[in-house]
Amino acid sequence: AQKITQTQPGMFVQEKEAVTLDCTYDTSDPSYGLFWYKQPSSGEMIFLIYQGSYDQQNATEGRYSLNFQKARKSANLVISASQLGDSAMYFCAMRGNAGNNRKLIWGLGTSLAVNP
Amino acid sequence: DGGITQSPKYLFRKEGQNVTLSCEQNLNHDAMYWYRQDPGQGLRLIYYSQIVNDFQKGDIAEGYSVSREKKESFPLTVTSAQKNPTAFYLCASSPLDRAAYGYTFGSGTRLTVV
Repeated sequence: AQKITQTQPGMFVQEKEAVTLDCTYDTSDPSYGLFWYKQPSSGEMIFLIYQGSYDQQNATEGRYSLNFQKARKSANLVISASQLGDSAMYFCAMRGNAGNNRKLIWGLGTSLAVNP
Repeated sequence: DGGITQSPKYLFRKEGQNVTLSCEQNLNHDAMYWYRQDPGQGLRLIYYSQIVNDFQKGDIAEGYSVSREKKESFPLTVTSAQKNPTAFYLCASSPLDRAAYGYTFGSGTRLTVV
């Protein structure tokens, strides 16, 4: 069975500093995708970044990068130059291509607070 | 602009009532999903649909029902059988049920039982 683990319930970071949010996963599917979403207090889920299991390079999207270590089954999100607007819940998710693994499964999230 | 529209944003339900949450997308996505989120918790899948007139139960389908009569629409009914319906409900869609595609979400409906 697939599983996503986010071990940090809450994180604090100073404005303008970088922060890493941890995500480990478990799957037997050889082909899978990893996603990070941001959920501000308004509740909407905002897609941030995607990493495919066969991608050779780590994904980057502006200030977001994904530190993908396939052998360790980790997909940590790095936010550079944190801004006050980055304060939100962050969810790691994964989906595969085989049978029941095609649904997105979610971690429990990490609450990030950016301090001025 | 394409997107997913959920309505209403806030909904109040009396004990014993059924209520229906609307979800409409104009992204031409095949797959649609309903999630429930409780305070401080992750997302739990209620129902999903990959094609019109077909849908499958997720992890917490009891007390809920759905329909998919049109590709664009996937309404969720919270029935009186759902004993603890107060939660935040999110609808999502994706173009295909494949690993390379993430979900696009609506802005959510906050349901409160009064």
